[in-house]
Amino acid sequence: GEDVEQSLFLSVREGDSSVINCTYTDSSSTYLYWYKQEPGAGLQLLTYIFSNMDMKQDQRLTVLLNKKDKHLSLRIADTQTGDSAIYFCAESMNTGFQKLVFGTGTRLLVSP
Amino acid sequence: NAGVTQTPKFQVLKTGQSMTLQCAQDMNHNSMYWYRQDPGMGLRLIYYSASEGTTDKGEVPNGYNVSRLNKREFSLRLESAAPSQTSVYFCASSGGAKTQYFGPGTRLLVL
Repeated sequence: GEDVEQSLFLSVREGDSSVINCTYTDSSSTYLYWYKQEPGAGLQLLTYIFSNMDMKQDQRLTVLLNKKDKHLSLRIADTQTGDSAIYFCAESMNTGFQKLVFGTGTRLLVSP
Repeated sequence: NAGVTQTPKFQVLKTGQSMTLQCAQDMNHNSMYWYRQDPGMGLRLIYYSASEGTTDKGEVPNGYNVSRLNKREFSLRLESAAPSQTSVYFCASSGGAKTQYFGPGTRLLVL
């Protein structure tokens, strides 16, 4: 079955690094995603990683994938107050048509 | 491009009332989706439409119906609203495997 788990809350200080973790159960996942949701808004894709990759870096964002442990993480370097939001990881098993399974979301609070 | 638009933004219903949530996308995407978001539960898929003319049930379809009116529009109908359907509803669309684009959401309160 499909199940994606995340911790509910993370608090960091501005300028520190944030690491948000996610575990998933379906080893057939082809893509894994990180979405950001700001208050009162829809979800915005931050980044994604293909399942045959171990790491992807995009400016301040680093995604690490450990397929053996089915563990995905998102590291945000130099976290800013504007990074405060809910972060969702999601997995997708289909390549032609995308059906996502979302985690419960991690609320990141960045304090000055 | 407006992306994915949803109407209305907010709605209050009484138990037993019906309503239709509208969604439209201008990105020529084949696939469209309806999710609900509840606290501590992430997003759960209600229905999806892989392509124009097809619809399929997702994880939580009970109490809902959908219509894929054309390639652009995908509506979600609550025939007899219940308090358990109080939620935030998101529509999304995708043109391939790499991402879904989300609308701003409809906040629904059923009394």
